[in-house]
Amino acid sequence: GEDVEQSLFLSVREGDSSVINCTYTDSSSTYLYWYKQEPGAGLQLLTYIFSNMDMKQDQRLTVLLNKKDKHLSLRIADTQTGDSAIYFCAVMDTGRRALTFGSGTRLQVQP
Amino acid sequence: KAGVTQTPRYLIKTRGQQVTLSCSPISGHRSVSWYQQTPGQGLQFLFEYFSETQRNKGNFPGRFSGRQFSNSRSEMNVSTLELGDSALYLCASRPDIGTEAFFGQGTRLTVV
Repeated sequence: GEDVEQSLFLSVREGDSSVINCTYTDSSSTYLYWYKQEPGAGLQLLTYIFSNMDMKQDQRLTVLLNKKDKHLSLRIADTQTGDSAIYFCAVMDTGRRALTFGSGTRLQVQP
Repeated sequence: KAGVTQTPRYLIKTRGQQVTLSCSPISGHRSVSWYQQTPGQGLQFLFEYFSETQRNKGNFPGRFSGRQFSNSRSEMNVSTLELGDSALYLCASRPDIGTEAFFGQGTRLTVV
């Protein structure tokens, strides 16, 4: 089945850019997502990208997709302390309409 | 519009008991999916319901079941609870057409 990998931890200074990376195995994945989870909370959908796109920008968020390398990244510009959270990459199995998640990247923003 | 509502937020149950969790999707959404989140296994897909029918199922034992009502509200049931069932259970609702999956706040189940 699908496998999604993320690095576990990223620390940045406030005001810097953050880049969270994700790799996946199933080349037929058509939709790829980024979710944010704060302590004790559910998952907040940040953005998603369709597999025929290379890039998507939404305010401070930029998603880059390299289909050849099966690599997805999320860039957060001007990172703020409120961005501290766990970020999950997820890919859609369109046959089952189920999301496969990575293990999450904990982003720590230093003031 | 209102988001996905899950009740209760917290539950404590004893091994061997059963539990029912509830999820009310966003108005107009007919697809409801359930996920289990644990520190060890991460986020795993349980099942998806659409128009009162289970459309897809993950790799969980038969103790995990669900249903969906005509108003799209969904319930998830876990029978004969085990300590390993302690987790955050998340519900996601999806439009009929569209790819966004919106999650609720989850129900944190603790089995003692």
